Amino acid sequence: AQSVTQLGSHVSVSEGALVLLRCNYSSSVPPYLFWYVQYPNQGLQLLLKYTSAATLVKGINGFEAEFKKSETSFHLTKPSAHMSDAAEYFCAVSDPRSGGYNKLIFGAGTRLAVHP
Amino acid sequence: DTAVSQTPKYLVTQMGNDKSIKCEQNLGHDTMYWYKQDSKKFLKIMFSYNNKELIINETVPNRFSPKSPDKAHLNLHINSLELGDSAVYFCASSLATGTYYEQYFGPGTRLTVT
Repeated sequence: AQSVTQLGSHVSVSEGALVLLRCNYSSSVPPYLFWYVQYPNQGLQLLLKYTSAATLVKGINGFEAEFKKSETSFHLTKPSAHMSDAAEYFCAVSDPRSGGYNKLIFGAGTRLAVHP
Repeated sequence: DTAVSQTPKYLVTQMGNDKSIKCEQNLGHDTMYWYKQDSKKFLKIMFSYNNKELIINETVPNRFSPKSPDKAHLNLHINSLELGDSAVYFCASSLATGTYYEQYFGPGTRLTVT
């Protein structure tokens, strides 16, 4: 069975500092991996996805993530945090073998706080 | 030009009542989903429909019954509401082929059962 672990339920950084949100997955096959962001009282917005092409994936709002098979990780980074990045971030995994009828397995989420 | 929309956004009701949440997508997708987000922000899939056919049915009480009248709509009806049903319910949609199945989410419906 697939699973996702997000280390750190809360991460706090200063504006302009590096953002690092950790995600480790468990999967018996190479998975598809996703990062979503949820702003307060809003739905989830896709930040980026890994689908077995390039291991370094660039997304929206300056975020990127690197797929490391040996570490079963897909950590999300941003070089310089903005106040507007404060939100809840979710890592998710899916099984490519399930075809289009795909369920996302989510991590527990990491709340990112950005302070001046 | 809303992609995935849900109504209502907020729903407050009493235990024992029956309520419905509606979802519509205008992305031309053929697969739709319902997810439940609990008070600790944990997200879990409930159902998935492809071309009006139920594909995924996780361990969800029979009180929850999804209905898909067409590819663009997926409704969720809940009978005999219980306190534990209080949560945010998200609808999502995707294409079954060709786009790595990335899912687009609606804004959510916050259900409060008193």
